[in-house]
Amino acid sequence: QQQVKQSPQSLIVQKGGISIINCAYENTAFDYFPWYQQFPGKGPALLIAIRPDVSEKKEGRFTISFNKSAKQFSLHIMDSQPGDSATYFCAASSNDYKLSFGAGTTVTVRA
Amino acid sequence: DGGITQSPKYLFRKEGQNVTLSCEQNLNHDAMYWYRQDPGQGLRLIYYSQIVNDFQKGDIAEGYSVSREKKESFPLTVTSAQKNPTAFYLCASSSGQGSSANYGYTFGSGTRLTVV
Repeated sequence: QQQVKQSPQSLIVQKGGISIINCAYENTAFDYFPWYQQFPGKGPALLIAIRPDVSEKKEGRFTISFNKSAKQFSLHIMDSQPGDSATYFCAASSNDYKLSFGAGTTVTVRA
Repeated sequence: DGGITQSPKYLFRKEGQNVTLSCEQNLNHDAMYWYRQDPGQGLRLIYYSQIVNDFQKGDIAEGYSVSREKKESFPLTVTSAQKNPTAFYLCASSSGQGSSANYGYTFGSGTRLTVV
């Protein structure tokens, strides 16, 4: 039973376009929502994270939007570049520090 | 440089054989985790440990075993009881305490295990 549901499974975007990945959760005890980026054959790396007391966090071209009432959060990649082609995972944790991961989204940016 | 080292990068297991995957960290993190990654299924938690000499089962612990004798090390043994062990295995660590800034995981580069 996956505690964090992620969609879409994959997406293709043109260079310069916007990539949007959505995640939803049920556990209201979750209080930390990170996103990880993974390149083939490598371990995931923390990209950006948000706490539920803010609705949006931006770091460079990456933005997390958070909707606490809907129990949803999303990652927006602005001005997508070929180097952004990777698999992205959303995750969530509560005070037990264990992260529950979404199933992942493979993003392909076409030049 | 601080980080997590997983070895070997590739591992081949024969039917009925136990194999051990190594995970070492020099981040002084208290908590360590093992995840299994299969295509289309994301990351599934096998075992985790929040302090030395203590560990708990994750969602898919059957056929696996771990030990945590040192803070720096958290080896995973894939036993012959694991019927479908071919996967990419990831080790991670986190501070495991304090503020949310410490919630984030640092991952190793993974071990790809294949049954031959």
